[in-house]
Amino acid sequence: AQSVAQPEDQVNVAEGNPLTVKCTYSVSGNPYLFWYVQYPNRGLQFLLKYITGDNLVKGSYGFEAEFNKSQTSFHLKKPSALVSDSALYFCAVRDGYSTLTFGKGTMLLVSP
Amino acid sequence: DADVTQTPRNRITKTGKRIMLECSQTKGHDRMYWYRQDPGLGLRLIYYSFDVKDINKGEISDGYSVSRQAQAKFSLSLESAIPNQTALYFCATSDLDRGPDTQYFGPGTRLTVL
Repeated sequence: AQSVAQPEDQVNVAEGNPLTVKCTYSVSGNPYLFWYVQYPNRGLQFLLKYITGDNLVKGSYGFEAEFNKSQTSFHLKKPSALVSDSALYFCAVRDGYSTLTFGKGTMLLVSP
Repeated sequence: DADVTQTPRNRITKTGKRIMLECSQTKGHDRMYWYRQDPGLGLRLIYYSFDVKDINKGEISDGYSVSRQAQAKFSLSLESAIPNQTALYFCATSDLDRGPDTQYFGPGTRLTVL
């Protein structure tokens, strides 16, 4: 069975500082990895995905994520956080033809 | 995303009542999903449908049923609602040809079962 762990319930960062939201995964085959973001009172929005190729994936709003096969991780990063980045972030994984499994979510709070 | 709509947006009901949540999409996608979101548990898949004639159970289908009335419509029913079904429910769509994992979510339905 596939699973995703987001070890931090909340991440706090000051505006302008770099941010990292952590994600580790477990799958039986090759992983397909995703990040989604949920703003207050909204549905989830797709940010980026890793299917194959370059381990560093760039996505929307200046976010990027690094796939690390040996550490089974797919951490979300941004060089300079904005207050408007404050939201709930979900990591998701699947393998083969299975459906997505989402993590529990990490709340990112960016202070001015 | 206005392309995926959910009705109602909020619903308060009583234990034992039958409830239907509706989802419509104008994206032309073939795949549709129902999830529930609970604090600290993330999103869990209830049912999904890859086309009109295809219905599949997800991780937590007990107590729920679905109907895919057309490519654009996917309804979720709670036959006899219970308090632990109080949650935020999301419908999502995706398309095999344009990337099945890029799912587009509706705004959600907040359901409270008293």
